[in-house]
Amino acid sequence: AQSVTQLDSHVSVSEGTPVLLRCNYSSSYSPSLFWYVQHPNKGLQLLLKYTSAATLVKGINGFEAEFKKSETSFHLTKPSAHMSDAAEYFCVVRSQGNTDKLIFGTGTRLQVFP
Amino acid sequence: EPEVTQTPSHQVTQMGQEVILRCVPISNHLYFYWYRQILGQKVEFLVSFYNNEISEKSEIFDDQFSVERPDGSNFTLKIRSTKLEDSAMYFCASSGDRGRSETQYFGPGTRLLVL
Repeated sequence: AQSVTQLDSHVSVSEGTPVLLRCNYSSSYSPSLFWYVQHPNKGLQLLLKYTSAATLVKGINGFEAEFKKSETSFHLTKPSAHMSDAAEYFCVVRSQGNTDKLIFGTGTRLQVFP
Repeated sequence: EPEVTQTPSHQVTQMGQEVILRCVPISNHLYFYWYRQILGQKVEFLVSFYNNEISEKSEIFDDQFSVERPDGSNFTLKIRSTKLEDSAMYFCASSGDRGRSETQYFGPGTRLLVL
């Protein structure tokens, strides 16, 4: 069965420094992977998705993620954090088979300090 | 940009009462979903809905839950007799199509508190 593991529940960075949010997946086939962000009192917004095309995926707000099959990872990165990036980030995998069910990780809360 | 909306944003109810959570999906979308997140836990899939019927449901989605598309714009989740453990954030989502590349667009959620 598919699953995702977000390795850090909290990440703190200073504004202007790089961001790395880690995600490992478990899947018996080539997965569809997503990163969603949730700002306070807002819905879950799609940052980016991987669906078996290019392994380096660029998303909104300067975020990108690289699909690494050998490491079963899909880490989210951004070269320079902004205060507005402070939010909860979810790594998500689509369940296998004839289903649209999404399986969420536990989330990583990103704090950005001035 | 089109977005999914949900009402109410917060709801407090007494155990045993019925609640209806409302969602307005993106207008040209055909596939609809409900997820929930109990405080401190993962977001969990509840149900998917297409062509006026349930496509898939999780084991959480028991007989106390039902979904309906009462008109051309709304999509509702009803909990017939709420329990304390139904307290959670409930998210509605919609997508234009199925398939591995399709994106599900989420609403802001309804926070339900059962007392």
